[in-house]
Amino acid sequence: GIQVEQSPPDLILQEGANSTLRCNFSDSVNNLQWFHQNPWGQLINLFYIPSGTKQNGRLSATTVATERYSLLYISSSQTTDSGVYFCAVEPGGFKTIFGAGTRLFVKA
Amino acid sequence: GAVVSQHPSWVICKSGTSVKIECRSLDFQATTMFWYRQFPKQSLMLMATSNEGSKATYEQGVEKDKFLINHASLTLSTLTVTSAHPEDSSFYICSARYTGGTEAFFGQGTRLTVV
Repeated sequence: GIQVEQSPPDLILQEGANSTLRCNFSDSVNNLQWFHQNPWGQLINLFYIPSGTKQNGRLSATTVATERYSLLYISSSQTTDSGVYFCAVEPGGFKTIFGAGTRLFVKA
Repeated sequence: GAVVSQHPSWVICKSGTSVKIECRSLDFQATTMFWYRQFPKQSLMLMATSNEGSKATYEQGVEKDKFLINHASLTLSTLTVTSAHPEDSSFYICSARYTGGTEAFFGQGTRLTVV
């Protein structure tokens, strides 16, 4: 099956810093989403981005489908950005397959 | 945005009992819903795909007799953990997508503890 690799696995930032999270996938996909899982476990939809670039406030994402990767940019990080960021892909058949996640901690 | 609600948010049960978890799409119809399991500090693992009006499709290694899934309407899917044991303790999350839609929306999850 498809492999979804996220890097880095863990990231510690000082408040105000910028960061880039990466998601590589081993096969073509129909869809790609980025999620933030908060400390209570809720998955929050950040981006639905099978290709191209999108921005939402301090967050932006870029997916280069032909090269099988996606990037999530976080600018001016805040403590509330802490949590786990998941990349999830849909290789086909409506299944959503998750990467292992990047665990982010933003220090005040 | 689309809202998916799970109930209960947490449950503690005794070993050997069964527990039912509900997943509802509140403002849209969902032909397909999905059930995931997440162990501490791990990713979400797909357990099964639930289709309204038909049998669920289970992923390899998931016991269909242990995890009973029913998708009786376009807004409700249920997961029943039968004869629960401590190793079934986990965080269970459902997701749903609009009929014909492409984006998945997730419930808030259910933390199951079996004692």
